[in-house]
Amino acid sequence: AQKVTQAQTEISVVEKEDVTLDCVYETRDTTYYLFWYKQPPSGELVFLIRRNSFDEQNEISGRYSWNFQKSTSSFNFTITASQVVDSAVYFCALSEGRDDKIIFGKGTRLHILP
Amino acid sequence: DVKVTQSSRYLVKRTGEKVFLECVQDMDHENMFWYRQDPGLGLRLIYFSYDVKMKEKGDIPEGYSVSREKKERFSLILESASTNQTSMYLCASSSIPGTGLYSNQPQHFGDGTRLSIL
Repeated sequence: AQKVTQAQTEISVVEKEDVTLDCVYETRDTTYYLFWYKQPPSGELVFLIRRNSFDEQNEISGRYSWNFQKSTSSFNFTITASQVVDSAVYFCALSEGRDDKIIFGKGTRLHILP
Repeated sequence: DVKVTQSSRYLVKRTGEKVFLECVQDMDHENMFWYRQDPGLGLRLIYFSYDVKMKEKGDIPEGYSVSREKKERFSLILESASTNQTSMYLCASSSIPGTGLYSNQPQHFGDGTRLSIL
């Protein structure tokens, strides 16, 4: 069965610190997709990244970076030089094969303190 | 940009009422989804639809039904609202998977409807 675990329920860091959000997944499929979404206080989930299981190359987008490691079934998300606007709930998610359904983790609430 | 619009941000209804939550997307997406979000439980899939007049049960369909008469519109129906259905409801849409590796398109979400059942 597929499963996504975000062990960190809530994290608080001071502005400008780096922070890593952990995501561990379980799947029996060899083809799968991993996602990260951001949910700011306004409520709308915003898509951040999609990664397929055949591409383990890490990705950087501005202050955001993602570390995908199949050996540990992890897809961690790092925010560098955090800002108050990064405060949100972040969800990691998994989709198997050609299934359009996405299984979400329970989310990590990130507080960036000024 | 994809726009997914949910008809209400906040809604208050009474126990036993029939409640309709509406969702419209403007990108001609084939797939549409309804989730509920509760503290500590994350997002849970209620129903989804791959096409007009098609529907599939998600993980928690009990007490809900859906309607998709037009491609752009996906309605969630609480047949007889109960207090345990007080929640944040999120609608999402995605395009159909293509061929090759880059299928499983990301879902695009509306702003959510915070529903309170009294």
